[in-house]
Amino acid sequence: EVKLLESGGGLVQPGGSLRLSCAASGFTFSSYGMSWVRQAPGKGLEWVSIMSGSGGTTYYADSVKGRFIISRDNSKNTLYLQMNSLRAEDTAVYYCAKVRGASSGAIDYWGQGTQVTVSS
Amino acid sequence: DIQMTQSPATLSASVGDRVTITCRASQTISTYLAWYQQKPGKAPKLLIYKASSLESGVPSRFSGSGSGTEFTLTISSLQPDDFAAYYCQQFNTYPYTFGQGTKLEIK
Repeated sequence: EVKLLESGGGLVQPGGSLRLSCAASGFTFSSYGMSWVRQAPGKGLEWVSIMSGSGGTTYYADSVKGRFIISRDNSKNTLYLQMNSLRAEDTAVYYCAKVRGASSGAIDYWGQGTQVTVSS
Repeated sequence: DIQMTQSPATLSASVGDRVTITCRASQTISTYLAWYQQKPGKAPKLLIYKASSLESGVPSRFSGSGSGTEFTLTISSLQPDDFAAYYCQQFNTYPYTFGQGTKLEIK
């Protein structure tokens, strides 16, 4: 059974930093791309970032480029999102997500989400 | 970035109805489109990938079609469990983008 468990969310002041983690199990972690998707309160889904299975390729949404860094440790089956220079508009539930396959960027498994609140 | 536009934003329907949600891309995305269902307080669930491929375990009343810039999600006979929000997502070009969502409400 595929499981994705996020942690690291919380309350942070504007300009601060936070690192999210996602512990994965139930599949060969290094074989799949992994993403972060967020959802602001009462709003829709926003794609944030993706990293290939090997970790060699990354992409970001324009809204977080230069501030967020996605990484992974395949030896620990863990995905990370380092969030710097946080803004109020980064307040959201952050979901860790598994990409379906090499030829499909659809997301077939999602974590339960972790809340990030940016406020003074 | 590719903009994804869903319509309608809200849809009121009854159990047993056939409903269709439309998603339009600002440029061609071939069939690199997925549909998700999300219920309040829960993570999204994949329904359709590659525009028309039904994800394993998803009821056959859900179907997807389209290519290029125009896509549809159809629910052939609404069940009580189907009242939720629905999102499309393109994965043709980075950054991947979602539509703004369609809320399916009980009439």
